[in-house]
This record gives sequence, structure tokens and C-alpha cells, in this order.
Amino acid sequence: QKEVEQNSGPLSVPEGAIASLNCTYSDRGSQSFFWYRQYSGKSPELIMSIYSNGDKEDGRFTAQLNKASQYVSLLIRDSQPSDSATYLCAVSNRNTGFQKLVFGTGTRLLVSP
Amino acid sequence: NAGVTQTPKFRILKIGQSMTLQCAQDMNHNYMYWYRQDPGMGLKLIYYSVGAGITDKGEVPNGYNVSRSTTEDFPLRLELAAPSQTSVYFCASRDKVSGPYEQYFGPGTRLTVT
Repeated sequence: QKEVEQNSGPLSVPEGAIASLNCTYSDRGSQSFFWYRQYSGKSPELIMSIYSNGDKEDGRFTAQLNKASQYVSLLIRDSQPSDSATYLCAVSNRNTGFQKLVFGTGTRLLVSP
Repeated sequence: NAGVTQTPKFRILKIGQSMTLQCAQDMNHNYMYWYRQDPGMGLKLIYYSVGAGITDKGEVPNGYNVSRSTTEDFPLRLELAAPSQTSVYFCASRDKVSGPYEQYFGPGTRLTVT
């Protein structure tokens, strides 16, 4: 079982729709969760972090964390073509002494005009 | 404030050559990391450092070496380059005190070994 799992996609949504990206993790001791956006040929860019159960909203982005079910999700409202990118989920867990992040392989999002 | 910088942006090496990938940050961050990313794959940690003079192996350290003589710089050395080291290399840093565990990435170095 991979430590952090994501569906590779692509996830295709029309412009203006809600895009829902999911991530599951295996270590119950995980405490910090991050979503990075990576455009093709570019470096990962941090867009959301979440540390406690529930929802965290920032503009069009909402991160949702459910530690009991060991998943974290990212919702993108009013999706725009400029949101087309690969979204990486990253987790900091007890196995790594919380010093390192474990990354999923990413979900590719395509937003069509 | 330039953040995390990496040089070079691109490099082509012949098998068996050596090179150093440079990484520098001006945010006074304690933690620094080196990752590699292969096409369609996630980020794999090569080495990391929690402060000057302290380094440790990550998930895929074979074929690489690092040093951390200053807080600002964290170079990655490739000895005897092999085609399997063709990848995009990212350096990242994190502040120990604030913004817990959030890592910030440099622009990357695209390396081809032929």
C-alpha cells in the first residue's frame, strides 16, 4: 500500500464547475496535509495546507480533512482553464519524524472552456 | 527576496561525468530538501538537511551526495552520471519555526544523461 495515493486522472471538468480531487493516506499518525499545484514544466506551488479535521476555505479552494477515514480532498469552485494542472497531495507523518513530506503521484486536472 | 534558487536550469551530461546542482535560499530556513521527479511520478526525496552541517538520506540517495556548510546553500553532487539519473531535480526549503512543515520549491533543474 502506498503511503499517499491519488487517482492519476485526468479529471476533466467544464469551466465553471466544481472540481473534486481526492487523496488517501496510510499512516494514522499523519498530522499535516498539503495540496500543491504543478503546471507542466514548472515547480510545485503550495496552495493549501490543513492540519485539523473539517474544512478550510481560501478563495475558490476548499481543503477537507477526515482523519478517521484517512482522506483529504481539495475542491475547486468555479473552475477555470487556468486551473488545469497536476495537483499533488503531500503528508507529514510520524514515520518521517514530521521532518519530511510524502507526496502522492498527483492528479491531472483538465478544465475545458 | 528571491526565495529558493537553482542553477543550472538545464544540463546534458555524458555517462560517467560528474556535476553539482546548486541550490540557495535567502529566507533563513533551517530545513532544505532535494527531490527528483520522473515523468508521471511524484516527488522522491534524495537528501535533506535540518541545518548547517547536518544531512540525512531520503528515499533515493544512491548516486548522489550533499553537503550543507551554510544555512543558505545546499548543493547536490552527482558522481558518475547514469541514464537513470535523467530527471527533473527540485530543491525546497522550510522554516523550522513558522509555517509548520510547509515546503517551498525552487524552479528546478532538468538533467539529461546520455
